[in-house]
Amino acid sequence: KQEVTQIPAALSVPEGENLVLNCSFTDSAIYNLQWFRQDPGKGLTSLLLIQSSQREQTSGRLNASLDKSSGRSTLYIAASQPGDSATYLCAVNTGTASKLTFGTGTRLQVTL
Amino acid sequence: GAGVSQSPSNKVTEKGKDVELRCDPISGHTALYWYRQSLGQGLEFLIYFQGNSAPDKSGLPSDRFSAERTGGSVSTLTIQRTQQEDSAVYLCASSPWVVSGANVLTFGAGSRLTVL
Repeated sequence: KQEVTQIPAALSVPEGENLVLNCSFTDSAIYNLQWFRQDPGKGLTSLLLIQSSQREQTSGRLNASLDKSSGRSTLYIAASQPGDSATYLCAVNTGTASKLTFGTGTRLQVTL
Repeated sequence: GAGVSQSPSNKVTEKGKDVELRCDPISGHTALYWYRQSLGQGLEFLIYFQGNSAPDKSGLPSDRFSAERTGGSVSTLTIQRTQQEDSAVYLCASSPWVVSGANVLTFGAGSRLTVL
């Protein structure tokens, strides 16, 4: 059974810092991995999708890497801003139906 | 619609009552998913639809849970004889179907269910 772990569970950083969120998964047979953002009372917003054949994806200040063989992914956020404050979730897709297995998330707070 | 719409956004019910949660996916999205997010736990998969059929119901926690989808559009998740452990946020997502498995899911804001 696929298990997804995210470390740290919570993180507080001052504005402007670069930071790394970690995600690990137990079964390397994945189709892809997604990083989502969840704001309180709102749904999930997809940030980045990395296919199993890819090593990384970038979008603006966000960069996600994938090391499938070791079962790890990182989300790098450059020059953090207060608006980045949210819970970040990683999810792995291990089936053609895109049924996702989620981690429990990292709650990020960026302070002024 | 422009996004995935879920209703009600909040539902408080008494133990033993039945509840229905509705999901209106993005127009044209053939795949629809239900997830549950319980306090302190990650999101867990419940069921997904391809069109009106549900090839995978493996995540439904008990036979009190059922879901249907009609017209390849709106889906309803029904919980019968609700229990306190059913309290959670129920999230719906939809996606255009991509055979390769690279579906990008768009999530709704969720329905928060509280069972007293």
